[in-house]
Amino acid sequence: AQSVTQLGSHVSVSEGALVLLRCNYSSSVPPYLFWYVQYPNQGLQLLLKYTTGATLVKGINGFEAEFKKSETSFHLTKPSAHMSDAAEYFCAVRRNNAGNMLTFGGGTRLMVKP
Amino acid sequence: KAGVTQTPRYLIKTRGQQVTLSCSPISGHRSVSWYQQTPGQGLQFLFEYFSETQRNKGNFPGRFSGRQFSNSRSEMNVSTLELGDSALYLCASSLSSTVGEQGTQYFGPGTRLTVL
Repeated sequence: AQSVTQLGSHVSVSEGALVLLRCNYSSSVPPYLFWYVQYPNQGLQLLLKYTTGATLVKGINGFEAEFKKSETSFHLTKPSAHMSDAAEYFCAVRRNNAGNMLTFGGGTRLMVKP
Repeated sequence: KAGVTQTPRYLIKTRGQQVTLSCSPISGHRSVSWYQQTPGQGLQFLFEYFSETQRNKGNFPGRFSGRQFSNSRSEMNVSTLELGDSALYLCASSLSSTVGEQGTQYFGPGTRLTVL
């Protein structure tokens, strides 16, 4: 079975600092990979996705992630944090030809200090 | 294009009752998936429907069921509610069920179910 591990359930950064949220997956076959963001009392918003092709993926709001097969990782980064980035972030994987079942990590709550 | 809509947004029920939640996918999307989100268990997959057929099912008891209509709208039903069913229920839609980009899921705002 697949699993997704997000290191750090809480991450705190200062405004303007680098954001790094870690995601590792277990899969013998590279899956499709996603990052979603959830603001309070809202659903999940797709930030970015990796399906095939370029391993560095750019998403919305200045976020990007790099798929590293050798490290089975898909870490999310943003060069400069903004107060509006405070939210919970979820990494998810979906196997090829496995329908639309997403397996999610436990989530990382990002706090941005002024 | 309108996003995924879910009704109702909030619901309060008592133990033993049943509940039906509704989801309208993005126009043109034929796949609808349901997830349960709780503080303890996180986000867990319930089931997926595509063209009115259940394609995948997560590890939930038979009290959880769903269906999809010909217009792709979906409903989820929970019978004999338990306290542990209190959760945010999220619906997601996608163009298709299996293939790469077309399988990307877009989520609705969720229905917050509280069981007393």
